[in-house]
Amino acid sequence: DTQMTQSPSSLSASVGERVTITCRASQSISRYLNWYQQKPGKAPKLLIYAASTLQSGVPSRFSGSGSGTDFTLTISGLQLEDFATYSCQQTYSPPYTFGQGTKLEIK
Amino acid sequence: QLQLQESGPGLVRPSETLSLTCTVSGGSISSNTYYWGWLRQPPGKGLEWIGSIFYSGSAYYNPSLQSRVTISIATSRTQFSLNLTSVTAADTAVYYCARDPARWTHYFDYWGQGALVTVSS
Repeated sequence: DTQMTQSPSSLSASVGERVTITCRASQSISRYLNWYQQKPGKAPKLLIYAASTLQSGVPSRFSGSGSGTDFTLTISGLQLEDFATYSCQQTYSPPYTFGQGTKLEIK
Repeated sequence: QLQLQESGPGLVRPSETLSLTCTVSGGSISSNTYYWGWLRQPPGKGLEWIGSIFYSGSAYYNPSLQSRVTISIATSRTQFSLNLTSVTAADTAVYYCARDPARWTHYFDYWGQGALVTVSS
């Protein structure tokens, strides 16, 4: 199985800041990498697929980059509604595995 | 607007079978464009993909669960289901159903709200 490791595990930031979350795969996954946002008690919400394609309806302050084994999710200009847990997922090969999540908290 | 809704028992006894159904409204399971998946999240932990099924009924599973899991599409073509046998406390989780557009890559763009299933005697 491909192991996905996110860093940091948690992050404190202020409204308006730019933050970056990193996801590393244990083997090359090309660009088969998705990012999800999850709020407490809610289902995950797809933000980005194929490493950098913004899902319809997702604000443009979210962006993704990377290929191979190293990927980043960037949020430019944090809004209050962005404080949540973010998870990456590889779909290069089954089983489709997720990172452990990064909890973004208000500073 | 596509909606997915999980349903099933919230409590299952150890060694028994966990059965959940996902009802799809506002769209068709029968479209040859989509896969339909099950995922789960133990309390306080990360997400785990359980398996996915194509409209034709062809399914593929997480090898860690393959010996115990079956995903199927109901004859109504508006529901698909998850059966997980011989459950233990480690199977306690929120279970989600979701849609995978299955283009050149896979991702889950629509999710149900989730169903908490507790395995306990």
